[in-house]
Amino acid sequence: RKEVEQDPGPFNVPEGATVAFNCTYSNSASQSFFWYRQDCRKEPKLLMSVYSSGNEDGRFTAQLNRASQYISLLIRDSKLSDSATYLCVVRNTGKLIFGQGTTLQVKP
Amino acid sequence: ETGVTQTPRHLVMGMTNKKSLKCEQHLGHNAMYWYKQSAKKPLELMFVYSLEERVENNSVPSRFSPECPNSSHLFLHLHTLQPEDSALYLCASSQWQGTSGANVLTFGAGSRLTVL
Repeated sequence: RKEVEQDPGPFNVPEGATVAFNCTYSNSASQSFFWYRQDCRKEPKLLMSVYSSGNEDGRFTAQLNRASQYISLLIRDSKLSDSATYLCVVRNTGKLIFGQGTTLQVKP
Repeated sequence: ETGVTQTPRHLVMGMTNKKSLKCEQHLGHNAMYWYKQSAKKPLELMFVYSLEERVENNSVPSRFSPECPNSSHLFLHLHTLQPEDSALYLCASSQWQGTSGANVLTFGAGSRLTVL
């Protein structure tokens, strides 16, 4: 089983749609969780950290479910500029483990 | 600019060549990393340096040789590579939080390597 698993997609949605991505992790002792965004042919950049109580940043909401060992990212009112690959990242014993990424395509 | 600069951005080399990738960070971080990104695969951690000391070496073949002369510079020396080593090589830096390890990473733009 992979340490961090994501549905690679692609998710094709119209502008204005709400879309949600899930990510599961295998190590119950994982300490910290993040979502990164990677545009085509660019480097990954931190989108947001994920806190136990859930957190929101504008149109983006991240949730953590420790009991079920999954993390989610919800994007409301999708914009064309949200098209990218979203990487789930989990910290285990000091190392950052990346998921394969979920590709989002927002269409006009 | 993210504060992490990688050169060259593109590199084509034959299997018998020797080349080096360079990374420089201007963020005052104390840890630096090399990751490999191949198509349709997760980022693979190759090496971690914290305070210029190698703290992670993820069973990377010896044809990849890292060097960290100071906390701002990181190199990846390449020799006798194979075509399957063609990938995007990403450098990153962060603050290293003692036993907690890596904090949020800032990546460079990457060096795209093609091995013929």
